[in-house]
Amino acid sequence: DIQMTQSPSSVPASVGDRVTITCRASRSISTYLNWYQKKPGKAPQCLIYGASNMQSGVPSRFSGSGSGTDFTLTISSLQPEDFATYYCQQSYTLPLTFGGGTRVEIK
Amino acid sequence: QLQESGSGLVKPSQTLSLTCAVSGGSIISGAYSLTWIRQTPGKGLEWIGHMSHTGATHYNPSLQSRLTISVDKPKNEFSLTLNSVTAADTAVYFCAQGHYDTSGNLWFDPWGQGTLVSVSS
Repeated sequence: DIQMTQSPSSVPASVGDRVTITCRASRSISTYLNWYQKKPGKAPQCLIYGASNMQSGVPSRFSGSGSGTDFTLTISSLQPEDFATYYCQQSYTLPLTFGGGTRVEIK
Repeated sequence: QLQESGSGLVKPSQTLSLTCAVSGGSIISGAYSLTWIRQTPGKGLEWIGHMSHTGATHYNPSLQSRLTISVDKPKNEFSLTLNSVTAADTAVYFCAQGHYDTSGNLWFDPWGQGTLVSVSS
């Protein structure tokens, strides 16, 4: 199985901050990498698919980059509604696997 | 929109059954997958399996021997059946609609809100 490792596990941040979350795959997954936002009691929402493609309706402050084994999700200017947990997910091979999550919390 | 329903409390060794109702569009539109994912405190998000638009099913090897995913096209819903459950199957279960992009990457949106299933006697 491909292991997905996210860092950091949590990041304290303030509104307006630039936040960067990293996801590392245990082997190359090309750009078969997706990012999700999860809020407590809510359905997860896809933000980025294919490493860098923004899902329809997602604010432009979210962006994704990377290929191979190293990927990043960047929030250019953190908004109050962005405090949540973020997950990466690979679809290069089965079984599909997720990262452990990064919680963006209020500093 | 997707909405899960089913048994919230299941006894050990019995069968967990969940259904995902899809509204606002056909369940079989384009290149898709009908997917189940669960979240446990200890293991985070875990892909359970999916049925693709070809009708093929793909299961997590860790669950494959106990798992069935099926679709009811006239009702616009799909289902999960997990046999011989243990406490380790206690989780929030999500259904999701998967999409394939042009390169074959599979991503999930929308998801249901999730339903908590507890395995306990």
